[in-house]
Amino acid sequence: AQTVTQSQPEMSVQEAETVTLSCTYDTSENNYYLFWYKQPPSRQMILVIRQEAYKQQNATENRFSVNFQKAAKSFSLKISDSQLGDTAMYFCAFSPYSGGSNYKLTFGKGTLLTVNP
Amino acid sequence: SAVISQKPSRDICQRGTSLTIQCQVDSQVTMMFWYRQQPGQSLTLIATANQGSEATYESGFVIDKFPISRPNLTFSTLTVSNMSPEDSSIYLCSVIGSNYGYTFGSGTRLTVV
Repeated sequence: AQTVTQSQPEMSVQEAETVTLSCTYDTSENNYYLFWYKQPPSRQMILVIRQEAYKQQNATENRFSVNFQKAAKSFSLKISDSQLGDTAMYFCAFSPYSGGSNYKLTFGKGTLLTVNP
Repeated sequence: SAVISQKPSRDICQRGTSLTIQCQVDSQVTMMFWYRQQPGQSLTLIATANQGSEATYESGFVIDKFPISRPNLTFSTLTVSNMSPEDSSIYLCSVIGSNYGYTFGSGTRLTVV
């Protein structure tokens, strides 16, 4: 079974600064996907960024980037130039890539990020 | 990516009653997933629904409490049966779109009184 751990229940950052959210996971799978989702107060789950385990290059989406360390099973999210709209709960999630019906997402407990003006 | 319309967005229900939540997807998808998010908690998978077969439930969730229908490749319902205050949660449906991206519905906030 997979587990996802987010050790920071809450974080805050000043607008325009950079913040890094931590995530570690445990799995025996060799091929898998990792995700960061954002959930603002509207409760809509929004995909922020996705990383395929077989790719060594870290994924980047505009102000969002990840530091994927496969051997250490670490998957941190860096938000640059933080904006007030980044205030949300951030969930790290894991999905195996083993085919069949085993596509379910396993989520961490989340990190509440507050961006202060 | 797929677009999901989830209804209702919120409801307040009396204990002992049932509520059916609907998810409509704008494209055909093989698997749909139903999650529960208890207040202040993360998402927990309830079941996986494939068209034409029985839903597969996760440990701790049973069909009598959370019956699921999947009549076609674009639609699914989740019923929360015989509700108690402990069922007060956000319920979300999800599908896997192209490029292995998971898309979520906007969620149903259920309050049981």
